[in-house]
Amino acid sequence: QKEVEQNSGPLSVPEGAIASLNCTYSDRGSQSFFWYRQYSGKSPELIMFIYSNGDKEDGRFTAQLNKASQYVSLLIRDSQPSDSATYLCAAAWMRGRRALTFGSGTRLQVQP
Amino acid sequence: EPEVTQTPSHQVTQMGQEVILRCVPISNHLYFYWYRQILGQKVEFLVSFYNNEISEKSEIFDDQFSVERPDGSNFTLKIRSTKLEDSAMYFCASSSDTSNQPQHFGDGTRLSIL
Repeated sequence: QKEVEQNSGPLSVPEGAIASLNCTYSDRGSQSFFWYRQYSGKSPELIMFIYSNGDKEDGRFTAQLNKASQYVSLLIRDSQPSDSATYLCAAAWMRGRRALTFGSGTRLQVQP
Repeated sequence: EPEVTQTPSHQVTQMGQEVILRCVPISNHLYFYWYRQILGQKVEFLVSFYNNEISEKSEIFDDQFSVERPDGSNFTLKIRSTKLEDSAMYFCASSSDTSNQPQHFGDGTRLSIL
C-alpha cells in the first residue's frame, strides 16, 4: 500500500466550477497534512495545511481531514485557468518521521 | 515575505565529480530539509537537519551524500561522486520549531549528470 495515495488525473473542470482533490494515507500516526501546488518545472508551493479533523477554509480553498477514514481532501471553489497545476498531498509524522511523505500528485486542468 | 533561496538554479556535472548545492533557509527557521524529485516522479525526502546535526535521513541518503551548515545562514548538500541517477531537481525546505508547522520550499536546483 502506498503511504500517501492520490489519483494522478488529469482532473478536468470548467472555469468557475469546484475542483475536488483527494488523498488517502496509510499511517494512522500521521499528524499533519499539507497541500502543495506545483507548476511544471517549479517547486512545491504551500496552499493549505491541516491537522485537526474537519474543515479549514482559506479564501477559495478548503482542506478537509477525516482521521478515522485516513482521508484528506482539497476543494478549490471558483476554479481559474491559473489553478491548472499538479496538486501534491503530503503527510508529516508518517512512521514517526517529521519529514514530509508526498503523494504522486493530481494534475488539475481548468478549462476556460 | 521571507523565502528559501537556492543556488545554483541549474548545475551540470560530469559523472564521478563532486557537487555542492547551496540553500539559505528562512532566517528564523530551525529545521532544514533536502528533498529531490526525479523527472516525472514524486518528491522524495533525503535528510533533515536540526541543531547542527542530522535528525532524520532516508534510505536514499547514503554515504555519497552529506549536509553541512558552514555558517549561520547557509545549508549545503554535497554529493561526493555523482552518478547518472542523481540527475533530479533538488529542493531545500525549512520550517520553524513547532511540530506541525509547514515546510517552505526553495525554487530548487536542477542537477544534470552527464
